[in-house]
Amino acid sequence: GENVEQHPSTLSVQEGDSAVIKCTYSDSASNYFPWYKQELGKGPQLIIDIRSNVGEKKDQRIAVTLNKTAKHFSLHITETQPEDSAVYFCAASIKGYGGSQGNLIFGKGTKLSVKP
Amino acid sequence: NAGVTQTPKFQVLKTGQSMTLQCAQDMNHEYMSWYRQDPGMGLRLIHYSVGAGITDQGEVPNGYNVSRSTTEDFPLRLLSAAPSQTSVYFCASRRSDGLGAQPQHFGDGTRLSIL
Repeated sequence: GENVEQHPSTLSVQEGDSAVIKCTYSDSASNYFPWYKQELGKGPQLIIDIRSNVGEKKDQRIAVTLNKTAKHFSLHITETQPEDSAVYFCAASIKGYGGSQGNLIFGKGTKLSVKP
Repeated sequence: NAGVTQTPKFQVLKTGQSMTLQCAQDMNHEYMSWYRQDPGMGLRLIHYSVGAGITDQGEVPNGYNVSRSTTEDFPLRLLSAAPSQTSVYFCASRRSDGLGAQPQHFGDGTRLSIL
């Protein structure tokens, strides 16, 4: 079945450094790749997403890159701040049929810690 | 807008008890879904619905029932709770307009413990 692998599972960086989280997906028909941030006790919150017709997207300190040939995509956070500390999840859409089109498969998450 | 609202936030059950987790959204989204989140497992899809009266199974549907009588509400029922169902449950919604996958909006979860 479809699968999304996410690495690393934990990441610790110094404030001001960059952080990179990588995901690979198995379904070549996947065309939508969101990233979610989950703070303690809260639900996942969408921070950025990218579609398969775009190779890179940036929003202030956050960027996502997509390599369709290699079937991997990455989240880049620059100038990290303590408030960036959270668990980050990547996801990929599955092709599916009918109502299952657009269902998401999630990676297992990366716990990012930003040290002041 | 409240977005996606889940109740209760916390619940403790005994094995064999039944209960319903409530989910409501005020964004007029056609698509709603339930996930469970377990340590080291990410989010796994339980059931989903593309509109009132239409539901389907996700990756881990066993032991759970759903129904969708209105656009706004999508309750998740545990018929006979088991310790393996101890988890954090998230409800999510998104548009479903035939233009491809759309961003999902999540509630803040229900933390369920089954003794």
